[in-house]
Amino acid sequence: DTEVTQTPKHLVMGMTNKKSLKCEQHMGHRAMYWYKQKAKKPPELMFVYSYEKLSINESVPSRFSPECPNSSLLNLHLHALQPEDSALYLCASSVQGSTGELFFGEGSRLTVL
Amino acid sequence: EDQVTQSPEALRLQEGESSSLNCSYTVSGLRGLFWYRQDPGKGPEFLFTLYSAGEEKEKERLKATLTKKESFLHITAPKPEDSATYLCAVLAAGGTSYGKLTFGQGTILTVHP
Repeated sequence: DTEVTQTPKHLVMGMTNKKSLKCEQHMGHRAMYWYKQKAKKPPELMFVYSYEKLSINESVPSRFSPECPNSSLLNLHLHALQPEDSALYLCASSVQGSTGELFFGEGSRLTVL
Repeated sequence: EDQVTQSPEALRLQEGESSSLNCSYTVSGLRGLFWYRQDPGKGPEFLFTLYSAGEEKEKERLKATLTKKESFLHITAPKPEDSATYLCAVLAAGGTSYGKLTFGQGTILTVHP
């Protein structure tokens, strides 16, 4: 079982909806990540939080808004998404930033109608 | 620009038929090379970290090796449960990719009973 928990597992939303993806880890990790993965493609980095501060933003459109309320929680707020944003959204954590040893959650499958 | 190329794209093996997956890379100073396993609809699972040429890591039927330009993931006597997509990723020591994993496209491994 993964120690990074993501909710919801599946989400269907219209282009005018506002929704949020949530991620939680209790391993004491100080870095947390959002990745986006399309079918048959590798994960693409979106955001990195290190010690609760945004350290990397990969020029992601503003309709995706990350939030790190504390060291265990990571949210991704979604607003006015497009159908091409449909994908598997993966949360990951690591002991600290600038490492490749990431622990991924099982992902949230997002469908935008 | 850092690049990671995995081959083959897909590999079909009979149970017990050993083989190897390849990951070739170009990076501006290698901080680490990482192997992940990903099952359909799930997040990647970390397998190995390799830091320097000549290093080897083993876990059950898997052995990862590293040279200055490529890494191999050797699978000995595979079982159907080894079927998954295997992802290779590198972490650069500097440049614009600093602190960010660069993933290859993955190799889809199918092991038939």
